[in-house]
Amino acid sequence: GAGVSQSPSNKVTEKGKDVELRCDPISGHTALYWYRQSLGQGLEFLIYFQGNSAPDKSGLPSDRFSAERTGGSVSTLTIQRTQQEDSAVYLCASSPALGGRTTQYFGPGTRLLVL
Amino acid sequence: QQQVKQSPQSLIVQKGGISIINCAYENTAFDYFPWYQQFPGKGPALLIAIRPDVSEKKEGRFTISFNKSAKQFSLHIMDSQPGDSATYFCAATYNQGGKLIFGQGTELSVKP
Repeated sequence: GAGVSQSPSNKVTEKGKDVELRCDPISGHTALYWYRQSLGQGLEFLIYFQGNSAPDKSGLPSDRFSAERTGGSVSTLTIQRTQQEDSAVYLCASSPALGGRTTQYFGPGTRLLVL
Repeated sequence: QQQVKQSPQSLIVQKGGISIINCAYENTAFDYFPWYQQFPGKGPALLIAIRPDVSEKKEGRFTISFNKSAKQFSLHIMDSQPGDSATYFCAATYNQGGKLIFGQGTELSVKP
């Protein structure tokens, strides 16, 4: 079956522009997670969704970052006024249910480069 | 604050050898400890995981050893193969919510 898909796979933008990153989770997965992977910071949690609500946004690094999920499926991570330090790979994962012991299935990521 | 510390940063092992990666955690509220494997250009994939009430878990060539009192756990890869060359991340999580707290990663290279 289809795994988690993310688009675009690569995005180059100029400092100060807004970007939207999309995640299509595995069908039927109710939990969705966003992580960021960068050389300096490793893999960091950003936010997770249970259905369309986000109980934990604690990992979002600033108010320039926001995310939403609609219809319990597709999620969009938006970064406003991008900065060079936002350059990273943004990973999305989904799981059949919320909970640490439930396997998270990761997408291939969106590689963001801010010039 | 680095809640999960992983070492070494990189590891070179000969084919057929044993690869060992170590992790230590601080928060005793963590109650699940997965290991993820990541190949270049791909997202991480779950390799094996352990609960803190178990001291060892083995799946094929992969074994997790867990020491609750020392707050340490490790991944052992027996009979390492070139196809095991990847980056390995240990992680810790709480059952509620499930966000993963990752170690810094270990880049493993298995030489033929």
